[in-house]
Amino acid sequence: NAGVTQTPKFRILKIGQSMTLQCTQDMNHNYMYWYRQDPGMGLKLIYYSVGAGITDKGEVPNGYNVSRSTTEDFPLRLELAAPSQTSVYFCASILDGGRWDEQFFGPGTRLTVL
Amino acid sequence: AQTVTQSQPEMSVQEAETVTLSCTYDTSESDYYLFWYKQPPSRQMILVIRQEAYKQQNATENRFSVNFQKAAKSFSLKISDSQLGDAAMYFCAYGSGNQFYFGTGTSLTVIP
Repeated sequence: NAGVTQTPKFRILKIGQSMTLQCTQDMNHNYMYWYRQDPGMGLKLIYYSVGAGITDKGEVPNGYNVSRSTTEDFPLRLELAAPSQTSVYFCASILDGGRWDEQFFGPGTRLTVL
Repeated sequence: AQTVTQSQPEMSVQEAETVTLSCTYDTSESDYYLFWYKQPPSRQMILVIRQEAYKQQNATENRFSVNFQKAAKSFSLKISDSQLGDAAMYFCAYGSGNQFYFGTGTSLTVIP
């Protein structure tokens, strides 16, 4: 199993550009999460999904959109990128609700918006 | 809202000595998990140890152990026989239901 994979590893965007961060897991996990980690800070939840077709907002959803058309994939869309979105983005998954004892993280995507 | 507080932004420890990292949390839930994660410069989040709130016994994993005080909502991490490879950011985290919260982290330096 590859676990949770994320692409790209690094990206530089100009203000106002858009992009999609990809996240894929091959563990058949139902729940998937997107976090952002600002410099010197902990991770904050952006969006999560409890299954295909179901998504919900986390703590810091503004400026982002998500979709979940398959169990495996949970892309994060940035529209009209802003410098405040410069961060490291982590995708994670768990098998089912509350199963935090088995949360798997991807390697992260470092995004810089200039 | 649930919050996780780490009051020590930086800590240092002499190699082979013991260090304790502090964490407090706020919740109204009775069923939850607590975690310590290690994040080296590679950015990968590595699970160090976890504790289920309903378990009274403190979790241990080799040189890592926790002091879980449920009534005080405290969850500290003790690292014994510190090694150079323990140098990293350490995050305390809380998970319950559909929400997961991280603290702001403690940067641990290990002095040879």
